[in-house]
Amino acid sequence: KAGVTQTPRYLIKTRGQQVTLSCSPISGHRSVSWYQQTPGQGLQFLFEYFSETQRNKGNFPGRFSGRQFSNSRSEMNVSTLELGDSALYLCASSPITGYSTYEQYFGPGTRLTVT
Amino acid sequence: QKEVEQNSGPLSVPEGAIASLNCTYSDRVSQSFFWYRQYSGKSPELIMSIYSNGDKEDGRFTAQLNKASQYVSLLIRDSQPSDSATYLCAVNWQTGANNLFFGTGTRLTVIP
Repeated sequence: KAGVTQTPRYLIKTRGQQVTLSCSPISGHRSVSWYQQTPGQGLQFLFEYFSETQRNKGNFPGRFSGRQFSNSRSEMNVSTLELGDSALYLCASSPITGYSTYEQYFGPGTRLTVT
Repeated sequence: QKEVEQNSGPLSVPEGAIASLNCTYSDRVSQSFFWYRQYSGKSPELIMSIYSNGDKEDGRFTAQLNKASQYVSLLIRDSQPSDSATYLCAVNWQTGANNLFFGTGTRLTVIP
């Protein structure tokens, strides 16, 4: 099976702009979660989508949003970018069924740099 | 405040030795526990999941869970230089949800 894919892999944006990141989960996986990784804060949960609905949300401002499509692909959007949004954004998919229900498999990430 | 704590290291072990990585968590209702390995510049890779008290073995890796002590560990037997990476402990607090809380990671170096 192909793994989780994320596009683009690298992105440079200017403060105030907005950005959309895309994630395609492993085939058959229905849950998609997004995480932000920075050297200072480590890995932090952003939100999780399941069946096109946001099921959980982390402690991030409303500038961070996401959605999931009927084919389980997901996008996240960050509006009004700030310098502090520079990070590695990771998408993870999970099968939601069977023994490995809660196992999450990460994509390669999108490295966002805000200047 | 839910917390996952790991010794940041670095932890250095000679090749062939056993590496022991530890993690404590703050919430007794935690359901699922995971160990991820992250090489520099790469994304986290799932190594082990454990849901019940006791040991779970997979090849050279053994995860140990003690819910009473709120403690989960990872043992790596016959450590290899390729095991040199940061190991992240993750906890899923909530049944029916996929929102992992991660520790800050332990950097492991295996010395040839």
